[in-house]
Amino acid sequence: VQLQQSGPGLVKPSQTLSLTCAIFGDSVSGNRVAWNWIRQSPSRGLEWLGRTYYRSKWYNDYAVSVKSRITINADTSKNQFSLHLNSVTPDDTAVYYCTRGYISSCDYWGQGILVTVSS
Amino acid sequence: DVVVTQSPLSLPVTPGQPVSISCRSSQSLAASDGNTYLSWFHQRPGQSPRRLIYMVSNRDSGVPDRFSGSGSGTDFTLTISRVEAEDVGVYYCMQGIQWPWTFGQGTKVEIK
Repeated sequence: VQLQQSGPGLVKPSQTLSLTCAIFGDSVSGNRVAWNWIRQSPSRGLEWLGRTYYRSKWYNDYAVSVKSRITINADTSKNQFSLHLNSVTPDDTAVYYCTRGYISSCDYWGQGILVTVSS
Repeated sequence: DVVVTQSPLSLPVTPGQPVSISCRSSQSLAASDGNTYLSWFHQRPGQSPRRLIYMVSNRDSGVPDRFSGSGSGTDFTLTISRVEAEDVGVYYCMQGIQWPWTFGQGTKVEIK
């Protein structure tokens, strides 16, 4: 399994941060896995943002800290999933990772993208 | 949220010596299915975290057998039997019993 992340490294304050994670070697709609976004910053450490998974229908879970601003969705035609975080501030500056969740842990990680929020 | 606390936060080590890192959770990580959902990760500078151990003591494929995990309930330990230079970096534990999954603060291992 490989996860390949893409997206801009610089986002202006108040705009939307959007990242994509392409999946190779597994299916985004697999019924035993979940697809997660995690970020890492010196102030917050490793922070779970949310996940999407398919169990006969699509489900999402989001961290309370970003729940009002986050959307994670899957694209089955491209076998990928995306993160959208709106109304960003400099506090959202971090390295963002996508991961595969399996048996209540993260076994595969993307390469990470440093996203800086600055004008 | 489940709080996960690691100690120590910094650990100078001598190659060839054993190393232990502690991880404690604010509630039991033992699930009703009989499994305990505690994982360990290693992160080198500039790299993504790599999982070493899952469900307390199961090593991931390709992880050297000098790494071992132990513990139960709320207290867990990662042990490196004989630390090598390539083991430097930051080690994290993570609980997977309750959403949101949460990580410890990390333990930085460096060579003396």
